[in-house]
Amino acid sequence: EDQVTQSPEALRLQEGESSSLNCSYTVSGLRGLFWYRQDPGKGPEFLFTLYSAGEEKEKERLKATLTKKESFLHITAPKPEDSATYLCAVQASTQGGSEKLVFGKGTKLTVNP
Amino acid sequence: NAGVTQTPKFQVLKTGQSMTLQCAQDMNHEYMSWYRQDPGMGLRLIHYSVGAGITDQGEVPNGYNVSRSTTEDFPLRLLSAAPSQTSVYFCASSYSRVGSPLHFGNGTRLTVT
Repeated sequence: EDQVTQSPEALRLQEGESSSLNCSYTVSGLRGLFWYRQDPGKGPEFLFTLYSAGEEKEKERLKATLTKKESFLHITAPKPEDSATYLCAVQASTQGGSEKLVFGKGTKLTVNP
Repeated sequence: NAGVTQTPKFQVLKTGQSMTLQCAQDMNHEYMSWYRQDPGMGLRLIHYSVGAGITDQGEVPNGYNVSRSTTEDFPLRLLSAAPSQTSVYFCASSYSRVGSPLHFGNGTRLTVT
């Protein structure tokens, strides 16, 4: 069964304290891995797409990396406005030849000033 | 551009009532989808559409109907509301079903009593 596991479930950081969020997956036929940010009461907002192992993407204080089994979202010198829930989603081919997108449960990040 | 617009933002129904959640996008995306988000679970796909006149079931379709008469609109109908359908519903669209990031609306919070 295709699975996407995000860890930790929740993370508290002090402003400026860098850390990483993890998204591990067990799927065959990876077609893409997506990172989203979700603020309370809002829909998820797209951050990055990664397609193959070794790929990296950066945006401001965020950097996403991908291996064959997991992805990391590195947050460098976070600010309080980075507080949100970060979602990972993996798109994979199924045995029947169709595509499936599986979301993780998310990591709730809180950055204290 | 408004992106993906969902109405209403909040709704309370009694068991057995029916209603339609509206979704419209102005990005000319062919792919549209409906998800539900429940505490402690990842986003789950209810129904999706790859173009006007074409719809298909997702992971949790029971109790919901959809139609796609135009590229822009993709309403979700609850036929006979049940307390198990209490959730936050998100509509999302993308350029294509595979490999393209989803653009989400801000959700409809539905409570069924």
